[in-house]
Amino acid sequence: EAGVVQSPRYKIIEKKQPVAFWCNPISGHNTLYWYLQNLGQGPELLIRYENEEAVDDSQLPKDRFSAERLKGVDSTLKIQPAELGDSAVYLCASSPSWGLNAGELFFGEGSRLTVL
Amino acid sequence: ILNVEQSPQSLHVQEGDSTNFTCSFPSSNFYALHWYRWETARSPEALFVMTLNGDEKKKGRISATLNTKEGYSYLYIKGSQPEDSATYLCAFTAGGGNKLTFGTGTQLKVEL
Repeated sequence: EAGVVQSPRYKIIEKKQPVAFWCNPISGHNTLYWYLQNLGQGPELLIRYENEEAVDDSQLPKDRFSAERLKGVDSTLKIQPAELGDSAVYLCASSPSWGLNAGELFFGEGSRLTVL
Repeated sequence: ILNVEQSPQSLHVQEGDSTNFTCSFPSSNFYALHWYRWETARSPEALFVMTLNGDEKKKGRISATLNTKEGYSYLYIKGSQPEDSATYLCAFTAGGGNKLTFGTGTQLKVEL
């Protein structure tokens, strides 16, 4: 069974440039998460989707970050314009539904962003 | 804001040593406690999900215990091997919510 797929794995951009990350969750998983992981910190939730609906985006900096999950499957996370402080690993995760296995998450390998 | 703390921040052990880490979390409104292992350049992998006070889970040489009344969980690795080198993350979920709050992780390095 294919796991969560993310791309690109690595991205280096200059500040003020836009960047986008893509995530394909495990087939059949209704819930999709985007997490931000800064060096030395634990992952922090940016946004959670139930199917195509963003049910928790309270931690998403909406001035420069946006996300979508148009058909309730793949998702993209965009930053425009990127700032130096956005350098981090962006993790996508999915889970079948809340309540099953108390919300065990299946993660992708992450997209490591470096902003110069 | 939920406070999930892990200690130590990093740990170097020799092959064959046994080791353990701690995860502290709020003792009220508990729903679940997760442990993940995150190897460099790989995806975080779920080790355990624990929901009941007194839970003990084991997978090979790795085991975990849970005390929800006092708000802590221990992860034990018996006879550490180089392939155990990774960052071990715990994550807490409060009852009624559906968001995992992660600790900062314990970075384990097992040396030959």
